[in-house]
Amino acid sequence: DIQMTQSPSSLSASVGDRVTITCRASQSISTFLNWYQQKPGKAPTLLIHGATTLQSEVPSRFSGSGSGTHFSLTISFLQPEDFVTYYCQQSYTTPLTFGGGTTVEIK
Amino acid sequence: QVQLQESGPGLVKPSETLSLTCTVSGHSISVYYWSWIRQPPGKGLEWIGYIYQTGSTNYNPSLRSRLSISIDTSKNQFSLRLNSVTAADTAVYYCARGSLRHDFWGQGTLVSVSS
Repeated sequence: DIQMTQSPSSLSASVGDRVTITCRASQSISTFLNWYQQKPGKAPTLLIHGATTLQSEVPSRFSGSGSGTHFSLTISFLQPEDFVTYYCQQSYTTPLTFGGGTTVEIK
Repeated sequence: QVQLQESGPGLVKPSETLSLTCTVSGHSISVYYWSWIRQPPGKGLEWIGYIYQTGSTNYNPSLRSRLSISIDTSKNQFSLRLNSVTAADTAVYYCARGSLRHDFWGQGTLVSVSS
């Protein structure tokens, strides 16, 4: 199975900050990388697919980059509703696997 | 708008079978792939498997020996059966649209395995 490692597992930031979450794959997955946002008690929602493509209706302050084994999710201007948990997921091969998650907390 | 809703028992005894159904509305289940994903309390996400309208499936090898996913296009539903459950199968179970990425999800249903 392809292992997905996210870092950090949590971070503290303020409204208006720019933050970056990284995700590393245990082998090359080209750009078969998706990012999800999960609010407490809710199902995840798809933010980015194909490493860089913003899902419909997702605000443009979210962006993704990377290829191969190293990926990142950047939130350029944190809003209050962004202080939740984010997961990466590889879609290169089954079994699909997720990173352990990154929780963005208010400083 | 596509909507998915999981249904099934919230409590299952160890060694018994966990059964859930996902009802899809606003979209024909005969298009797209349909998936199950789970999340143990306080933990991360685990892909379970997916199914296509033809009945073709792809399962997580870690669950394959105990898992069955089926589809009923006449009812616009797909279902999950997981045999011989243990406490490790306690999780919120989500159904979702898509095979490799999931753009619509159900709200999730907590299934606890306990005697």
